[in-house]
Amino acid sequence: GQSLEQPSEVTAVEGAIVQINCTYQTSGFYGLSWYQQHDGGAPTFLSYNALDGLEETGRFSSFLSRSDSYGYLLLQELQMKDSASYFCAVRLGSGNTGKLIFGQGTTLQVKP
Amino acid sequence: ETGVTQSPTHLIKTRGQQVTLRCSSQSGHNTVSWYQQALGQGPQFIFQYYREEENGRGNFPPRFSGLQFPNYSSELNVNALELDDSALYLCASSSWGVGETQYFGPGTRLLVL
Repeated sequence: GQSLEQPSEVTAVEGAIVQINCTYQTSGFYGLSWYQQHDGGAPTFLSYNALDGLEETGRFSSFLSRSDSYGYLLLQELQMKDSASYFCAVRLGSGNTGKLIFGQGTTLQVKP
Repeated sequence: ETGVTQSPTHLIKTRGQQVTLRCSSQSGHNTVSWYQQALGQGPQFIFQYYREEENGRGNFPPRFSGLQFPNYSSELNVNALELDDSALYLCASSSWGVGETQYFGPGTRLLVL
């Protein structure tokens, strides 16, 4: 079976740093993606890791450890607009067999 | 550059009916994937289309079917609707070879009564 585990909710204050963890057990693994989804909106791509290590994109960073089947999304200098759901997703195939298996999502609430 | 568009935005159907949802991919993208997202859950992969053929399928029954057209737009058809089919249906487009970056449309919210 395929499973991804991430915390259901995280709360932090504006300006702080928050880390959202994701552990996965999947039959096949090609990479780990992170998506952000605001209420009523479409998921938007944030970051992708195919290899171990840290990827940085502005205020967002994502980390992957393939040996530990673990990754995390790090959000720095939190802003109110970062309040949203965050999903980790495992890409199962290479090329464009872009089948993504999503976690249940982590709701991030940023408080003033 | 035109983003991914979906129609309709909302739909109400009754059990047993059939529904067709439509998706126009982002300009330059030739691959379309469909996902079902129940309330409070992550999106679940239904299937993917490339070059007008199904290229991978998730754990959904055959009453979920699709099409891709020469202009890369796509349709999702669901027959014999069940109450559990009530969900947000998302379409995502990508370029072949860059499947890790998928661009999602706003979705169609389907309610089955």
